[in-house]
Amino acid sequence: GQNIDQPTEMTATEGAIVQINCTYQTSGFNGLFWYQQHAGEAPTFLSYNVLDGLEEKGRFSSFLSRSKGYSYLLLKELQMKDSASYLCAVMNSNYQLIWGAGTKLIIKP
Amino acid sequence: IAGITQAPTSQILAAGRRMTLRCTQDMRHNAMYWYRQDLGLGLRLIHYSNTAGTTGKGEVPDGYSVSRANTDDFPLTLASAVPSQTSVYFCASSLYGTSGTDTQYFGPGTRLTVL
Repeated sequence: GQNIDQPTEMTATEGAIVQINCTYQTSGFNGLFWYQQHAGEAPTFLSYNVLDGLEEKGRFSSFLSRSKGYSYLLLKELQMKDSASYLCAVMNSNYQLIWGAGTKLIIKP
Repeated sequence: IAGITQAPTSQILAAGRRMTLRCTQDMRHNAMYWYRQDLGLGLRLIHYSNTAGTTGKGEVPDGYSVSRANTDDFPLTLASAVPSQTSVYFCASSLYGTSGTDTQYFGPGTRLTVL
């Protein structure tokens, strides 16, 4: 079957760094996406990885290791507005996104 | 303003009733999708359409139907609603639907409660 695993909830302090991990098993691989979803709102696109390595975009970075079926999202200089759920999704061989259940990130002052 | 709109925002529905959730995009995207999101579960694909005139089944299509008469609109119909269809429904679109770099953009969602 197809499976995406990520922690249910994480807590971090304002100004700190947090790493959210995602492991996956899918039928084929056409890229890995990270989305942010604030409570009661729609998911919004954060990053895309298809090759191994780190993609940096401002305070957010995303890493991929295809051989390990592993990705992480790194958030630096945390702000209160970063409190949200972070969704990991893998595009399979049918170009369909398989989604993890999301990691709820709680930022404390 | 470019984007995706969904209607209604929320709805309470009696079991057995028919309901159509509306979705419209003005980004001229070829592909559109319907997902449901339930607590503790990832987004699950209900139906999709890679181009006007074609549709396909996702992971959880039973009890739902879709049509794609034109590029902009992708309505989702529940023929006879059941309580297990209580969920938040998101419509999304992407430029191609058959490309690995294809980013999906989401509408604001419809919160549906079936009693």
